[in-house]
Amino acid sequence: AQSVTQLDSQVPVFEEAPVELRCNYSSSVSVYLFWYVQYPNQGLQLLLKYLSGSTLVKGINGFEAEFNKSQTSFHLRKPSVHISDTAEYFCAVNRDGSGGKLIFGQGTELSVKP
Amino acid sequence: NAGVTQTPKFQVLKTGQSMTLQCAQDMNHEYMSWYRQDPGMGLRLIHYSVGAGITDQGEVPNGYNVSRSTTEDFPLRLLSAAPSQTSVYFCASTSELGTEAFFGQGTRLTVV
Repeated sequence: AQSVTQLDSQVPVFEEAPVELRCNYSSSVSVYLFWYVQYPNQGLQLLLKYLSGSTLVKGINGFEAEFNKSQTSFHLRKPSVHISDTAEYFCAVNRDGSGGKLIFGQGTELSVKP
Repeated sequence: NAGVTQTPKFQVLKTGQSMTLQCAQDMNHEYMSWYRQDPGMGLRLIHYSVGAGITDQGEVPNGYNVSRSTTEDFPLRLLSAAPSQTSVYFCASTSELGTEAFFGQGTRLTVV
């Protein structure tokens, strides 16, 4: 069975500083990896995904993530955050071909301060 | 292109009442799912469907029923609401092979 651990429940950071949100997963089979963002009182929006190929994945809003198979990690990074990046971020996995049964991490609340 | 539409957006129920959360998608996806979101727990899968007439249980199915009579619709039924079902519910529609999931805006349910 797959599982996902987001290592930080809250990450406070100042505007224009870099940020890394950490995600580790466990799985005995090949998986797809995702990062979603949830702004207050809204649904989930896909930031980026890793399906196969290049381990560095670029997403929307300047975010990127690196798939590390040996460390079973998929950390999310942004070199310079904005106030508007304040939101909750979720890492998720699903077994390739599993029909969309996502397993989510607990979420990381990113708070960007001026 | 509406994507995934959930209704209602907010609902307050009394313990023991029943209700149906509606979910519709217009992307012709075969896979649809229901999740609940609780603080500190992320999203957990309640039920999912791989096509019309086919449903299965997820991680937290107790207290919920689903059916899938058409590709477009995937309603979630609470037969006898309990305070433990107070949560935010999200419906998702997933592309073939699970390469991307599209979420509705959510239903915030309070059971008193």
